[in-house]
Amino acid sequence: DGGITQSPKYLFRKEGQNVTLSCEQNLNHDAMYWYRQDPGQGLRLIYYSQIVNDFQKGDIAEGYSVSREKKESFPLTVTSAQKNPTAFYLCASSPHDSHHNPSGYEQYFGPGTRLTVT
Amino acid sequence: AQSVTQPDIHITVSEGASLELRCNYSYGATPYLFWYVQSPGQGLQLLLKYFSGDTLVQGIKGFEAEFKRSQSSFNLRKPSVHWSDAAEYFCAVVNWMDSSYKLIFGSGTRLLVRP
Repeated sequence: DGGITQSPKYLFRKEGQNVTLSCEQNLNHDAMYWYRQDPGQGLRLIYYSQIVNDFQKGDIAEGYSVSREKKESFPLTVTSAQKNPTAFYLCASSPHDSHHNPSGYEQYFGPGTRLTVT
Repeated sequence: AQSVTQPDIHITVSEGASLELRCNYSYGATPYLFWYVQSPGQGLQLLLKYFSGDTLVQGIKGFEAEFKRSQSSFNLRKPSVHWSDAAEYFCAVVNWMDSSYKLIFGSGTRLLVRP
């Protein structure tokens, strides 16, 4: 059964600690994305990766870091430098075969991780 | 740069009534547009998409959307709402940047359904 998994669903951390959120996909998609969602603000792009060993900053990358060592995995680390880390984090992937098929732009989302930092 | 506006933060409809959620985009050429739905505490699910061709597109769960270039709109509709449709709905447009792209999302419209 193909899809995107994020773990854990709920995560609690003390202020000043780094925390890593997991995102795994078995859809054989090239591109992966991390979004942050706050109430009333929609989705904001943190980082994205269109190929293994390469990633780019999104609109709100400060205080976050990522790696893309495997096609299936795109973990996000929320560092202590992120001033307001409490949020709902969503991971997504897309085929990125956009040159031949616009459906490559469709993004498929995981169930999300709710991070609470106190 | 492209942008998406969803002017309605909340909409309340009665079960069985029709629904229209508004989405306006800014983009010069033909946009690639999406509607997603999010149930509380869940990820987003793709409802439908528009790339080209027929301006009325059908999606899952009985939803449809109409692309109107003259109005820069891509409004989502459903003829008869069910209580299970209560959720948040997001419109999105593809934004090309140099050699890559991303989706730009609207701020969402929360749908409440009265019994």
